[in-house]
Formats: sequence, structure tokens, C-alpha cells
Amino acid sequence: EPEVTQTPSHQVTQMGQEVILRCVPISNHLYFYWYRQILGQKVEFLVSFYNNEISEKSEIFDDQFSVERPDGSNFTLKIRSTKLEDSAMYFCASKKSGELFFGEGSRLTVL
Amino acid sequence: DQQVKQNSPSLSVQEGRISILNCDYTNSMFDYFLWYKKYPAEGPTFLISISSIKDKNEDGRFTVFLNKSAKHLSLHIVPSQPGDSAVYFCAAIPSLFSGTYKYIFGTGTRLKVLA
Repeated sequence: EPEVTQTPSHQVTQMGQEVILRCVPISNHLYFYWYRQILGQKVEFLVSFYNNEISEKSEIFDDQFSVERPDGSNFTLKIRSTKLEDSAMYFCASKKSGELFFGEGSRLTVL
Repeated sequence: DQQVKQNSPSLSVQEGRISILNCDYTNSMFDYFLWYKKYPAEGPTFLISISSIKDKNEDGRFTVFLNKSAKHLSLHIVPSQPGDSAVYFCAAIPSLFSGTYKYIFGTGTRLKVLA
């Protein structure tokens, strides 16, 4: 069964460092998303991406965040200068029509 | 803005009995609703969905009910099994014609099924 894959599963970084989280969405999906979940809190929308551009983003997704689909298969989330409050599980998701399919998540720990 | 609310943070149910998880929403533009299950350290897994033109959708042990006038949906699991123990999120999306693709998630309900 096709699935969304994410790497790394866990990344520890120092505050102020750049981080890139990678995702391979399901191959025939057209819409791509990043969500995050801070420990004990709800799953929060960050950004949606369609037709090679951002279709929507939340207020969390400020200038420190960017997304790219560099090669038609990978979908990356970059955080330029990480803050302590960026520590969370980051979930990539993709969809063709109705439901979102999520990856296993990448845990980011900012020290 | 808490447009999708799950007011019960946790629920315990005996194995074999019915689990009922509730979700309320405030945005009348939502017209497609989903339930996801999440185990620790894993991504949410899609369970079942319902569009606003229906009031019930069933898939095996899982049934979702939608009450549009009350802006309420519920997920019924019957019979509940210990493997159902997880956090359950409801999610909603406005009409596909609204120009948004943003799925809004509730805060989750932790279900514990006791053997």
C-alpha cells in the first residue's frame, strides 16, 4: 500500500540552526501539506502546496519557514533559524481528493 | 480559534462495549469531516469520513454520524477492542468551492479500551 514517508524520524538541533525535514508523498497525489503537533497539543496546520506553489499557510508559517518540491517527488520543510518553540512532531501529508494521508512524522527537538 | 472541538480529552470503555467519540464544530462552511486515529510516535491514520450530504457513514466497526443542525459529529466503535486504544482526532474542511484546502483538526480524545 502506498504511503507517505518522512525523514529523519528524529532530529536534535541547536537553537538558531537550520533544519530541513523531508517527505516523499504518495506518487499520484496532488496536494501536499505540513502539519505539526507540539507535545500534548492539537495537530496544527502549517502549509498546503499545490501546483508547485503554496496554496495556503497559517500564521505559524512565518518567514522562518519555507517549503519546496525540488524534484517532483520530495517535499521539504525548511526552518531557517530554529527556536525552542519549534520543538514538535512535524507531519507531512498528501492527498488526491478527499482524505489526507499522513507520514509517520519527524520529531524535532530544539535545544 | 477553536473551530473544531473535542470536549472529552479522554474516554475509557470496556472491551466489547460501544465507544462514542464526539466532535463539535462552529464553522457552517465545513462540509467534509474525517476521523483519524493516532498511536504514540506515529502519524494520524485515516479511519472514516462523511460529507455533509449524508448523516451516517459506516465502515465495519466504525460509524460516523453527522448532525448538521447541531454542528456535531460522532464516531461509534462497536465492539471496542483493546487495539482501538489511541488518540482520535476529528477533522473538517470547508467546501471544496471555498478556495481553502486547510483541514482543521480537533484537540483529540484519548480512548482506552479495557480488556
